[in-house]
Amino acid sequence: YDLTQPPSLSVSPGQTATITCSGAKLGDKYVCWYQQKPGQSPVLVIFEDNKRPSGIPERISGSNSGNTATLTISGTQAMDEADYYCQAWDSTTAVFGGGTKLTVL
Amino acid sequence: EVQLVESGGGLVKPGGSLRLSCAASGFTFSSYSMNWVRQAPGKGLEWVSSISSSSSYIYYADSVKGRFTISRDNAKNSLYLQMNSLRAEDTAVYYCARPRLAVDNNWFDPWGQGTLVTVSS
Repeated sequence: YDLTQPPSLSVSPGQTATITCSGAKLGDKYVCWYQQKPGQSPVLVIFEDNKRPSGIPERISGSNSGNTATLTISGTQAMDEADYYCQAWDSTTAVFGGGTKLTVL
Repeated sequence: EVQLVESGGGLVKPGGSLRLSCAASGFTFSSYSMNWVRQAPGKGLEWVSSISSSSSYIYYADSVKGRFTISRDNAKNSLYLQMNSLRAEDTAVYYCARPRLAVDNNWFDPWGQGTLVTVSS
């Protein structure tokens, strides 16, 4: 099972960043998203398609339908610059997308 | 505070072996499934293996099946990954990751700081 993400995305501060994750009938599965900043371990920012762990700002949101899951960051800030990975389960195997490098410039 | 601390990484020759450890604290280790996830230099995340709380269920990625063995010692709050027949493509930072909830193994939260394994002659 494959999850496909765009390799990179650039946005200006204050704009909305939309990162997609595509897979066959992905909407039938739950998806989560991880944020990874340079030199750091990944951090869960969205789970079960659209739920935020405590401490994750409300401007980070998620959705999942059809073949595409989407991570949306509203009012993007410099601190949001990072790699973002989607993840889902295919039976007993965890599958990660290839990651999207978000640049805020 | 939940903490996961990996150790055991290093430089090993192709065909060699290495054993990684993950020391867990701040939660009831014996109640949670656990996972290993790796990241090759400059590359994305790759799930390696999962083990259920009582070690009854164990799963591996196809890329490591037959070469890697995951295990745990609940009395020592520790997770292990025995890596044999190592290849250059196994070079990566290896992360220990706990699921968010004890009732399932769906979302990895938190992650350890990782330990680097380099396979090179």
